[in-house]
Amino acid sequence: ILNVEQSPQSLHVQEGDSTNFTCSFPSSNFYALHWYRWETAKSPEALFVMTLNGDEKKKGRISATLNTKEGYSYLYIKGSQPEDSATYLCAFGNEKLTFGTGTRLTIIP
Amino acid sequence: GAVVSQHPSWVICKSGTSVKIECRSLDFQATTMFWYRQFPKQSLMLMATSNEGSKATYEQGVEKDKFLINHASLTLSTLTVTSAHPEDSSFYICSAQGQAVNPEDYGYTFGSGTRLTVV
Repeated sequence: ILNVEQSPQSLHVQEGDSTNFTCSFPSSNFYALHWYRWETAKSPEALFVMTLNGDEKKKGRISATLNTKEGYSYLYIKGSQPEDSATYLCAFGNEKLTFGTGTRLTIIP
Repeated sequence: GAVVSQHPSWVICKSGTSVKIECRSLDFQATTMFWYRQFPKQSLMLMATSNEGSKATYEQGVEKDKFLINHASLTLSTLTVTSAHPEDSSFYICSAQGQAVNPEDYGYTFGSGTRLTVV
């Protein structure tokens, strides 16, 4: 059974501050690491798919890094805005994804 | 972008009845559909994988006779929870993999989920 862990479980951040959270996954047989942003009552939205060790991807104020040898990925949000409030999920695998439980981010205006 | 429409968004049913959940891909052909279930404070857990026109493949511990999956067309997949019981109360969500989506995300497009409550 693959174990994907995310920390922290929840996070409150002041608007304008930057933040980051972690996804840990098995370092063996790595294929891909996915990040999703999931707002309540909406569909999870794909943010990044990362496949290469040392890769860094960026979309606006959000970026992610990947370390496949030690089995972790960081998601960074710069200058948090209220619209960033959501649950951020990571998922590990090929076609069949194993998900973490998510980090619930709340931005305080 | 690619959209998957999932209905209903929530449903309450009596114990012993069956409930059907639909996922439709609106602007692409979903060659593969993944069905997940999420219990409170837990992660999304894969239940089954279905390809258009063939039988679904179920994960270990998921009863195929209880959770009937039909993927008869490239735009529609359904999950029917048969003879539902209170322990089946959960959040069910589909994820479609197709061709006409951003290759960078491997074509996984999620529905918005269905909250099932069995009373």
